[in-house]
Amino acid sequence: DSGVTQTPKHLITATGQRVTLRCSPRSGDLSVYWYQQSLDQGLQFLIQYYNGEERAKGNILERFSAQQFPDLHSELNLSSLELGDSALYFCASSPRYATGDYGYTFGSGTRLTVV
Amino acid sequence: AQTVTQSQPEMSVQEAETVTLSCTYDTSESDYYLFWYKQPPSRQMILVIRQEAYKQQNATENRFSVNFQKAAKSFSLKISDSQLGDAAMYFCAYKPNAGKSTFGDGTTLTVKP
Repeated sequence: DSGVTQTPKHLITATGQRVTLRCSPRSGDLSVYWYQQSLDQGLQFLIQYYNGEERAKGNILERFSAQQFPDLHSELNLSSLELGDSALYFCASSPRYATGDYGYTFGSGTRLTVV
Repeated sequence: AQTVTQSQPEMSVQEAETVTLSCTYDTSESDYYLFWYKQPPSRQMILVIRQEAYKQQNATENRFSVNFQKAAKSFSLKISDSQLGDAAMYFCAYKPNAGKSTFGDGTTLTVKP
């Protein structure tokens, strides 16, 4: 258990539908990042939150949105789903240490299949 | 924009041998971090090793070590005494201070018994 919790682990839905992916960061981590990994490809950055505020945005589609709540959990909303949205969606968190950056702790991902 | 390039889509190594995975990156920043992550068939992403750009000394974690060449913007991963459990996809990642990570496309490592 990495300490980053993502739910659900698997999701199968139809085109045109809307889904919500949830992430709870590791205890004490203020930053949350969302990445998309299509089949056997690299990780594409979607969005970053820090302590409830949006910090950076990648090539996130307008159909996608996210937020981070006061308890620091984050949700990624995907709407008007298309077949091409099928992918593994990762959430990662990282702390903010004065001694430096120690990288991400990843959740186990949500496997989204759009049929 | 920062880019990370892994020029070897696939590599293979004999068990107990040594293999080196290549990574180059492009940045105009001076303060940043570099990481290697492992993604086994379970798909869980696991941090393998990190390097601080301002440190000249190459990072080492047990059988894993890096060759960091800052001027050349090169960051290779060496795996010594390869084990079957090392078989995975390996991602190189660049992260500016307090920013988000940019990942390479990955190298799939096969370990032959």
